[in-house]
Amino acid sequence: KAGVTQTPRYLIKTRGQQVTLSCSPISGHRSVSWYQQTPGQGLQFLFEYFSETQRNKGNFPGRFSGRQFSNSRSEMNVSTLELGDSALYLCASSLGSGGTNTEAFFGQGTRLTVV
Amino acid sequence: GESVGLHLPTLSVQEGDNSIINCAYSNSASDYFIWYKQESGKGPQFIIDIRSNMDKRQGQRVTVLLNKTVKHLSLQIAATQPGDSAVYFCAENMSGAGSYQLTFGKGTKLSVIP
Repeated sequence: KAGVTQTPRYLIKTRGQQVTLSCSPISGHRSVSWYQQTPGQGLQFLFEYFSETQRNKGNFPGRFSGRQFSNSRSEMNVSTLELGDSALYLCASSLGSGGTNTEAFFGQGTRLTVV
Repeated sequence: GESVGLHLPTLSVQEGDNSIINCAYSNSASDYFIWYKQESGKGPQFIIDIRSNMDKRQGQRVTVLLNKTVKHLSLQIAATQPGDSAVYFCAENMSGAGSYQLTFGKGTKLSVIP
């Protein structure tokens, strides 16, 4: 069974640009969550999607957005990039249904560098 | 201002010894907890989980203990091996059952001395 796949693995962008990151969850998983990891702040929750709907949202500005498609693949977008957005962006997939929590598995992440 | 990296607690253990990594969580209403292992340049790897209706769960060489009274989690690794060297994070789920909003601890760096 394939794991969580994130593309691209590395990305360099200029301040003010926008970026789109992609996450393909494990087959059969319908919940996709996004996290930002930085040396200063650690791992921070961005948002969770389930059945194409945002189900939970963390404390990030509106420049950070996401969506989920009918096949459960998810994208996150960051607009008007700032230097402080440089981070490892991780997505996690889980079954997400049935009213009970099960394992959440992470991808390898996308390393975004803003210059 | 200058960004300062998180100061990670470090645990050094001799190969073959047992390791205990501790974590305090913040929300007494959290009902699901996960331990992750993260190696350099990789995403967090799921180790073991536990629900709030349990106080102990065992996996292969790992045991998680949950003390809800003091909001404390621990991860015990038996017969620690060099491949166990990594940063370990505990995570609590802040949202309701079935949905996910994980809040992570700052992590503990485990170094195994061969």
